[in-house]
Amino acid sequence: GAVVSQHPSRVICKSGTSVKIECRSLDFQATTMFWYRQFPKKSLMLMATSNEGSKATYEQGVEKDKFLINHASLTLSTLTVTSAHPEDSSFYICSARVAVAGSYNEQFFGPGTRLTVL
Amino acid sequence: GDSVTQMEGPVTLSEEAFLTINCTYTATGYPSLFWYVQYPGEGLQLLLKATKADDKGSNKGFEATYRKETTSFHLEKGSVQVSDSAVYFCALSVPGSGTYKYFFGTGTRLKVLA
Repeated sequence: GAVVSQHPSRVICKSGTSVKIECRSLDFQATTMFWYRQFPKKSLMLMATSNEGSKATYEQGVEKDKFLINHASLTLSTLTVTSAHPEDSSFYICSARVAVAGSYNEQFFGPGTRLTVL
Repeated sequence: GDSVTQMEGPVTLSEEAFLTINCTYTATGYPSLFWYVQYPGEGLQLLLKATKADDKGSNKGFEATYRKETTSFHLEKGSVQVSDSAVYFCALSVPGSGTYKYFFGTGTRLKVLA
């Protein structure tokens, strides 16, 4: 149980185009989803926290107009990289939190999406 | 603020060697602690967790004990295998903080040689 999927797993796009990445919780409802960015051989950087039905909360330094996050349902959150540039090339990982009373805040991670902007 | 400090890698070991990856933390509340593993090109997989002091998390031969007195959660394995080669992340989360954020260490790359 507690499986999170991401689509696509890899995407290559031209500079200036927009790319949408989907994050789905397959067998549970996720009231909160998180989007991370990982640079090569580096740790995960939290970009934003997304709660179903409300606006995402972005971390300091993350451009909300560039990285659009939508959490329209309890099983789906999307990250759209608008007007992508080569410096946006990275590994993007989402996670989902199971909303269970008294839980210890475990997040379940998707397999990641490799974005390459040419 | 809340943070995690992890030993720098890479760590290179021979097969069947003993592994220790150090992790210490700073937290304002009572954190839950996690170790995640990332294989090349993949996302993170939960390896083990501990939610309160003196808890020991274990999985696949890996162990870590939540030490409140030393604010540590060191990862250990008695005999590593080539298949354990991966990047290991220590993380914490503070229940009740309202944010449910995870704070990750920088990751430690482990390479096990046959």
